[in-house]
Amino acid sequence: GAVVSQHPSWVICKSGTSVKIECRSLDFQATTMFWYRQFPKQSLMLMATSNEGSKATYEQGVEKDKFLINHASLTLSTLTVTSAHPEDSSFYICSASRGGYTGELFFGEGSRLTVL
Amino acid sequence: AQSVSQHNHHVILSEAASLELGCNYSYGGTVNLFWYVQYPGQHLQLLLKYFSGDPLVKGIKGFEAEFIKSKFSFNLRKPSVQWSDTAEYFCAVTPYNNNDMRFGAGTRLTVKP
Repeated sequence: GAVVSQHPSWVICKSGTSVKIECRSLDFQATTMFWYRQFPKQSLMLMATSNEGSKATYEQGVEKDKFLINHASLTLSTLTVTSAHPEDSSFYICSASRGGYTGELFFGEGSRLTVL
Repeated sequence: AQSVSQHNHHVILSEAASLELGCNYSYGGTVNLFWYVQYPGQHLQLLLKYFSGDPLVKGIKGFEAEFIKSKFSFNLRKPSVQWSDTAEYFCAVTPYNNNDMRFGAGTRLTVKP
């Protein structure tokens, strides 16, 4: 099957610091990756679409300078939360598409960020 | 963009009870529909999906869903739930031929042994 892995699974950081979360497709090449944010007891909210080798497309209301996304290779996308604040505490989930439209996305385990 | 509504936030059932979780979507064009399950501490897994054809779709673990176009609905069903079905269930929709996936708020299912 297609496996997507996120690292770290959880991270605690101090307010004002930056945190990087990695999303890797382990056994396939992902031309497109998606980043979501999930608040407790709420749905996954799409933050941005990341295409390999190009700039990410952000959803309305998502700060590009706050949430930096890099998709440097076909197996890795990173989300960097810059100058994190307590309100950025959340569960961040990535998903990946094999390429083209297959109708199925493969999800990572999620990364829980807690900003103190 | 498309949107999805799941009306049941938390459903509690006893084992062997039948399950139906509601899902309605809003979009002006053709869509593809999905149900994902998230077991505690695990990642999202695909239960089933509808692209075209028979509107009654069968998925894994005995789940099925029916697409009713006139009602913009894609309800999830299972005739007899098990304790191991305790999880969070998400309905999702993409525009046809597009990976832009939007999720419903999720329904937490608790099955009592």
